[in-house]
Amino acid sequence: GENVEQHPSTLSVQEGDSAVIKCTYSDSASNYFPWYKQELGKRPQLIIDIRSNVGEKKDQRIAVTLNKTAKHFSLHITETQPEDSAVYFCAASIASGGSNYKLTFGKGTLLTVNP
Amino acid sequence: GAVVSQHPSRVICKSGTSVKIECRSLDFQATTMFWYRQFPKQSLMLMATSNEGSKATYEQGVEKDKFLINHASLTLSTLTVTSAHPEDSSFYICSAPQGGGENIQYFGAGTRLSVL
Repeated sequence: GENVEQHPSTLSVQEGDSAVIKCTYSDSASNYFPWYKQELGKRPQLIIDIRSNVGEKKDQRIAVTLNKTAKHFSLHITETQPEDSAVYFCAASIASGGSNYKLTFGKGTLLTVNP
Repeated sequence: GAVVSQHPSRVICKSGTSVKIECRSLDFQATTMFWYRQFPKQSLMLMATSNEGSKATYEQGVEKDKFLINHASLTLSTLTVTSAHPEDSSFYICSAPQGGGENIQYFGAGTRLSVL
């Protein structure tokens, strides 16, 4: 089955700096890669996703890059703010035309943005 | 985005009792829903895939007789933790893909189960 590795497990940055979280996946058939943000005790919230036919996607301060050959994808947050502090999870999935939408999650990265 | 409702948000029960958790897709139909378990400071561990009108698919190591799943309609899946014990205490979260060719999954708010 799919295996997703995520690094680093913890990341501390100063407000205004950039943060980068990296993930690798094992199954070359995976074609959908979402990133979720989870605040303590709350539900994971989708912040950005990328599909295998795209190499990069950006949404304001958040960007995701995908290298299919190397089987890795990264989350980039620029101009970090204290409210960006949370646990971030990457995930991988094979999104077929049917209902096989099972996500495999990385272990998460605790991001702390210091004021 | 789509809305997934999960109830209850918090359960405290005695050892040996059964606890039912509901997961509803409020503004879309979900033929598939997923149930996860999350321990403190850990990732989401998929327990099972709930399939509308058929049996759930359980991940390796998850006891199907312990964690009963019923997906009776296109908008409702339930997880019943039977004869709960303290080691079953955890955060349980459901999710549902919006479908329509997209794989965007929306999560419920989670249920914090504490078994005394």
